[in-house]
Order: sequence, then C-alpha cells, then structure tokens
Amino acid sequence: GQNIDQPTEMTATEGAIVQINCTYQTSGFNGLFWYQQHAGEAPTFLSYNVLDGLEEKGRFSSFLSRSKGYSYLLLKELQMKDSASYLCALEGRDSNYQLIWGAGTKLIIKP
Amino acid sequence: NAGVTQTPKFQVLKTGQSMTLQCAQDMNHEYMSWYRQDPGMGLRLIHYSVGAGITDQGEVPNGYNVSRSTTEDFPLRLLSAAPSQTSVYFCASSSRGGGVWDEQFFGPGTRLTVL
Repeated sequence: GQNIDQPTEMTATEGAIVQINCTYQTSGFNGLFWYQQHAGEAPTFLSYNVLDGLEEKGRFSSFLSRSKGYSYLLLKELQMKDSASYLCALEGRDSNYQLIWGAGTKLIIKP
Repeated sequence: NAGVTQTPKFQVLKTGQSMTLQCAQDMNHEYMSWYRQDPGMGLRLIHYSVGAGITDQGEVPNGYNVSRSTTEDFPLRLLSAAPSQTSVYFCASSSRGGGVWDEQFFGPGTRLTVL
C-alpha cells in the first residue's frame, strides 16, 4: 500500500522559514507533487519532484529522498498569504495517473 | 480560458435523491477526474478518465457514475444520495506532455450536503 503522513498543523511567524515534511511507505512511484490549498478554495500546483534533490522555485523549494522515504516543502520569507493547507501527493507507477494524497498540513502564519 | 468549471457550487439533497455534478474544461486535456475531500482526510479519487469514451474507477467509486462523451465534459452522477456522500467534490484535468502527465488543474469545487 501507499501511506502518506504529514503533520496536521504547523504555526510559523511572518518573515521566517518553515519546513513541511511528508513521509511515505510505497514500493515505487513516478514522482511526488506538492499543492497549496487556501481555505474554501481548490488546490493549486506548487512543485513536482521526480529525482532526488532540491527543486527551487522562488520562495518555495521542494526536496525528495527516495531512499529515506520522505519529501519536504520549504517556504522562505513567509507572508500572511502563505496561510493555507499544503498537500503532498504521490503519482503511482501505472500509466493511469492516479494520485495518492496526504491529508495535508494546515500552516498558520502569525504576525 | 475559463480553465476547469464546476456547477453547482453548493447543493443540498435529501437522502435518496439523485443529481449530476457538472464539470467542464476548455484546455483540451485528455485526463479528467473527480475527487471528494473530507475533513482530516486526503483527496480521494472517485472516478477518472484518460480520454473521451474511457472511464475507470478510483478509490471510492460506490454510489457514483461517470461518462465521458466529449473531451470537454465529465459529469458525476449520484445515483441515490446518502448522508455519507456529504463532502466537497473537486473535478480536475491534466494533459500528457512528453509522455508524462502534467500537474492537475482543479475546478472551484461543489459543496454537497445530504440530509
């Protein structure tokens, strides 16, 4: 099976850095996605990691380690608008693009 | 482009009623899917389609039907609504570029309550 674990909630301060972890148990997968979801809205794409290592995209970076079974999303220079849930999802190995989603981490930014 | 659109945005049903949630995309995406999102749980795949005329079941298909007669539209039918189907429903679409699927684009969601 494919179990994905994320912390339920995290709190951080405006201007700081926060790391949101995603751990998983799976026999194999194509890649790992991160999505952002503001309350009452639809998820929107942030990043996709296929290879081990860090992918940087502005204030957001995502890291994957297949051997250690985890990924993290790093948010720098936090802004109030970053208050949202962050969803981790694995893309299975078959060709039918079925994603397995974590429950998401609710990030609360305080002034 | 409107992207992915869903109607209605809100719906209240009584147990046993049936209804169709509409989803349309104008990006010519091959892949479309329906998810439900419940508090404390990840998005769960109900049904998906990799092209017109092709549909398949996801993780939680019971009580739902889909069809894909055109590339643009992917309606979700609730056959006989039950309180357990109270949830937020998202439609998503994606395309395949260079042999790999791109990110999924989501509609705004339909908030369904079954009494």
